Amino acid sequence: SYELTQPPSVSVSPGQAASITCSGDHLGDRYVCWYQQKPGQSPVLVIYQDFRRPSGIPERFSGSNSGNTATLTISGTQTVDEADYYCLAWDTTTLIFGGGTKLTVL
Amino acid sequence: QVQLLESGPGLVKASQTLSLTCTVSGGSISSGTYYWSWIRQHPGKGLEWIANINHRGATYHNPSLKRRVNMTIDTSKNLFSLKLSSVTAADSAVYYCARVINSREGVDVWGQGTTVTVSS
Repeated sequence: SYELTQPPSVSVSPGQAASITCSGDHLGDRYVCWYQQKPGQSPVLVIYQDFRRPSGIPERFSGSNSGNTATLTISGTQTVDEADYYCLAWDTTTLIFGGGTKLTVL
Repeated sequence: QVQLLESGPGLVKASQTLSLTCTVSGGSISSGTYYWSWIRQHPGKGLEWIANINHRGATYHNPSLKRRVNMTIDTSKNLFSLKLSSVTAADSAVYYCARVINSREGVDVWGQGTTVTVSS
């Protein structure tokens, strides 16, 4: 079965750029979405179709996807960005989530 | 603005069937544009997709749960439902219902989630 791998944690200083990766076999051949989840809340879509931002998502969120790795980048990271982040891709008719990355801003 | 709301028992006994309903408001579940989905999250863990259903009732399942999952849709009531049979403690989780557009646009609307605990 298809798997997506994310680092368990990433730390960043406020104002710096944070990069969270999502790896899978030939992942660049699939579309990737990214979700932000804060404690006690439902996930929120922050990137779809590899790099597109839904309305209302700050411009500091960006995405890319090539080869075996998709990357979510948060430029000028703010303390409000501290959350868990999940990547999502499809494997034919099934949805596959990455294991999640806890982003710490300190 | 479409909203989804999960409902169902918060406590289920082991070996019994977990039943949840997702009521959709602000939009029609009959739209062929979307799939409707159940996703769960074990305490302190990541997201696990359970199944999708479309407006015609066609279902798609996580292979690891397929034997125990039954998902239905009621377009007259604008809701869809999940039944998970033979539950164990490992099925204790927050269950989310969600709207799925497609592989490009992913899951775009989530319910607030409902916590289900399986007791022995």
